[in-house]
Amino acid sequence: GAVVSQHPSWVICKSGTSVKIECRSLDFQATTMFWYRQFPKQSLMLMATSNEGSKATYEQGVEKDKFLINHASLTLSTLTVTSAHPEDSSFYICSARDTWTGYGYTFGSGTRLTVV
Amino acid sequence: AQKITQTQPGMFVQEKEAVTLDCTYDTSDQSYGLFWYKQPSSGEMIFLIYQGSYDEQNATEGRYSLNFQKARKSANLVISASQLGDSAMYFCAMREGGQAGTALIFGKGTTLSVSS
Repeated sequence: GAVVSQHPSWVICKSGTSVKIECRSLDFQATTMFWYRQFPKQSLMLMATSNEGSKATYEQGVEKDKFLINHASLTLSTLTVTSAHPEDSSFYICSARDTWTGYGYTFGSGTRLTVV
Repeated sequence: AQKITQTQPGMFVQEKEAVTLDCTYDTSDQSYGLFWYKQPSSGEMIFLIYQGSYDEQNATEGRYSLNFQKARKSANLVISASQLGDSAMYFCAMREGGQAGTALIFGKGTTLSVSS
């Protein structure tokens, strides 16, 4: 089936620095990638939808200047958390439509970000 | 209004017993899809089962079945013969419409604990 590889699995960074998270579709072309954020024991909240070659669409309340999303190719989408602060510490996970099943969604393994 | 409602924050069940996790949804679309995912402590999202709005039969996948009651807008997950490895967080999710660029909307989740 379709596989999305997400890196890094976990990252610790200092407050004020930027962190880039990558999601690669390994055996299919992901024209659309969805980025979610999840706080401990809470739901997955959609942050933005990225489409290859165009600007991402952000959900209400998500700062687009803070969470930069780039979808430069059909197999790579990146999320950069700029000037990270402790409140940005969270679990970030990407997802793409599963072209193998036609109806499903495949998820990356997630990135645990801790800002100290 | 919430699109996906999971009213059980936590459920407890003994091994080999069956358990039902509740999910109700809200949409005005005629075409939609309902999903259940399992999220263990590692954070990965494991697809369990899918039900399309036009599917007349309830979906089944091994020990998982989806009790789809369209008129009541409910899509409960039934796990038969629970196992210790079933302990995890379970999310109900919905895709509204049939477009490829539509993200999943998640409920708040139910934490299932299976004891021996």
